[in-house]
Parts: sequence; C-alpha cells; structure tokens
Amino acid sequence: GEDVEQSLFLSVREGDSSVINCTYTDSSSTYLYWYKQEPGAGLQLLTYIFSNMDMKQDQRLTVLLNKKDKHLSLRIADTQTGDSAIYFCAESIQSGGYQKVTFGIGTKLQVIP
Amino acid sequence: SQTIHQWPATLVQPVGSPLSLECTVEGTSNPNLYWYRQAAGRGLQLLFYSVGIGQISSEVPQNLSASRPQDRQFILSSKKLLLSDSGFYLCAWRERGVETQYFGPGTRLLVL
Repeated sequence: GEDVEQSLFLSVREGDSSVINCTYTDSSSTYLYWYKQEPGAGLQLLTYIFSNMDMKQDQRLTVLLNKKDKHLSLRIADTQTGDSAIYFCAESIQSGGYQKVTFGIGTKLQVIP
Repeated sequence: SQTIHQWPATLVQPVGSPLSLECTVEGTSNPNLYWYRQAAGRGLQLLFYSVGIGQISSEVPQNLSASRPQDRQFILSSKKLLLSDSGFYLCAWRERGVETQYFGPGTRLLVL
C-alpha cells in the first residue's frame, strides 16, 4: 500500500540550510512532490521530481531521490524566515488510468532569526 | 493562466446543518478535480475526485457528497454536518496529461 512518512518538526537558524526528509513505500511512484503550506493557506507546489531522476535543483531548492531506499529529501539553502511553513511530501501513482497522490503528514519548518 | 477559487474562506456551522462548499477553476478545460480534507495535525485525506461533468468517485465512505454540475465547478456538500466534519477543505485541479495538482486557498470549516 501507499504510505508517506515525514518528521513532524524541524527548527533551523536563518541563513543555515534546511533538510526535510521523507520516505515512501510504493516503488511504482511516478512523480514525487514537495508542497509548501503557509498558515491558513492552501498548498503551493514547490517542486517535483520524476521517479527516474536522482536530483533536481531549482534556485535555493535541491531535491534528492534515492529510489533504492525510497527516500526523498528537500534541501533549502540559505533558509529565510519566509520559508517558515509546513512542507508536504507526496507521491503520485497511476492506478487504472487514475492518478492517486498520497501526502505525508507534513513537516513544520521553524526558522529562527 | 489558470486560477482556482474556493468559497467561503471560513465557515462556522452547527451540528446537523447542511453544507455547501464551492470550488471553481479558470483558464483550463476538462480538468481533473479533487476534494481533500486536512484535519488538525494530520495530512491530507482525499475525499472525492472527478474526471468530468457528473463523474464523481469517492475515496472513503463518509457523511459528505460531491457534485460537478459544470466542467470547472466542483461542489462539496452534506445534508447534516457532524462534529468530525470540522477541518480544512482543499480543492485541487490537474490538467490532463500533466502530473501535478494545484490547490485552491482552502475553506476552514468549524462544526460546533
């Protein structure tokens, strides 16, 4: 079955790098995503990676995928106070012509000035 | 560009009252549409998805129902709300052939 797990909380100092980790169970995942949710708002797509890729970089964001260990990480370089939010990992699986996305519980990132 | 709207933004309803939450998408045609619920301290739970007008699939048995009367309109309803229906309801859309879902701003529902 599908299961996505994340740690609940991460605290970093402004200017440091943040690394948010995620594990998933379904090896047939096609895409893996990172979404950001600010307080009281919807989910904002940050980045995604296709399952046949190992790494994707987008400005301050670096996504690393280890398919063997089913481990996904999001690194935020030079973390800013505006990065404080909940970060959701998600995996996408095609099932009978339908795309099913399973989300983790979310990691709350606290950036200390 | 595409945008997604949800309303109301916040709703406080008594137990046993009806519910209607609306989601509309602009700038795309024939999208896949989704309703999720985010309960406090929990991840997102998929409630319903729709691949076309009048086509609704339910992921979990529950007190809620969904309808899609128009291509870009998705409605979440209940005849009688329960306390456990409280949560943050998110609508999302996906363009066919594209593997990414985009979310609306959400509706916070508090059932008292």
